[in-house]
Amino acid sequence: DAGVIQSPRHEVTEMGQEVTLRCKPISGHNSLFWYRQTMMRGLELLIYFNNNVPIDDSGMPEDRFSAKMPNASFSTLKIQPSEPRDSAVYFCASSLRQSNTGELFFGEGSRLTVL
Amino acid sequence: AQKVTQAQTEISVVEKEDVTLDCVYETRDTTYYLFWYKQPPSGELVFLIRRNSFDEQNEISGRYSWNFQKSTSSFNFTITASQVVDSAVYFCALSEDLTGDYKLSFGAGTTVTVRA
Repeated sequence: DAGVIQSPRHEVTEMGQEVTLRCKPISGHNSLFWYRQTMMRGLELLIYFNNNVPIDDSGMPEDRFSAKMPNASFSTLKIQPSEPRDSAVYFCASSLRQSNTGELFFGEGSRLTVL
Repeated sequence: AQKVTQAQTEISVVEKEDVTLDCVYETRDTTYYLFWYKQPPSGELVFLIRRNSFDEQNEISGRYSWNFQKSTSSFNFTITASQVVDSAVYFCALSEDLTGDYKLSFGAGTTVTVRA
């Protein structure tokens, strides 16, 4: 079975540009999480969805960040406009809520560099 | 407040030495789960183990072992006879049922370097 698939793996952009990160969760999983990893702050939960509905977006840093999950097999995290401090590795993870263990399956991450 | 504390930032050992990673957590829930994830230099997060709050049995898997003590809110991880391939960042994480959904809170991670 395919794991969580993220794209792009690497993105280099200039300040002010729009960035869209994409995620395909594991088929059958009904919870999806976006995490950000930086040296300063470690792994932070940005937002998570359950059955395609955003449940908790309290970790989203600013209005420049938005996330959508239009269907069970696809999610996007958008930054507009991007800033150098957004440079980080963004991980998408999925899980099966019925398992209620919190075990997450992570994608390989999208490394974003904003110049 | 930090829910998961990994006090050791970096540990460096010589191959074949044992290394123990400390993890202390904080929660008010009676039902929770604890995890260890490994992040090798390639960057992906690899699941190592999950423990639920009702199971305090220690666990051994090959060269890896885990010691869960509720009395001290600790979930420590030991690598026996370390190898160079064990070099990675190791994260301890806590999953609490706060809203009916379990979310992972990660510690800051411990970087383990195993020298040949």
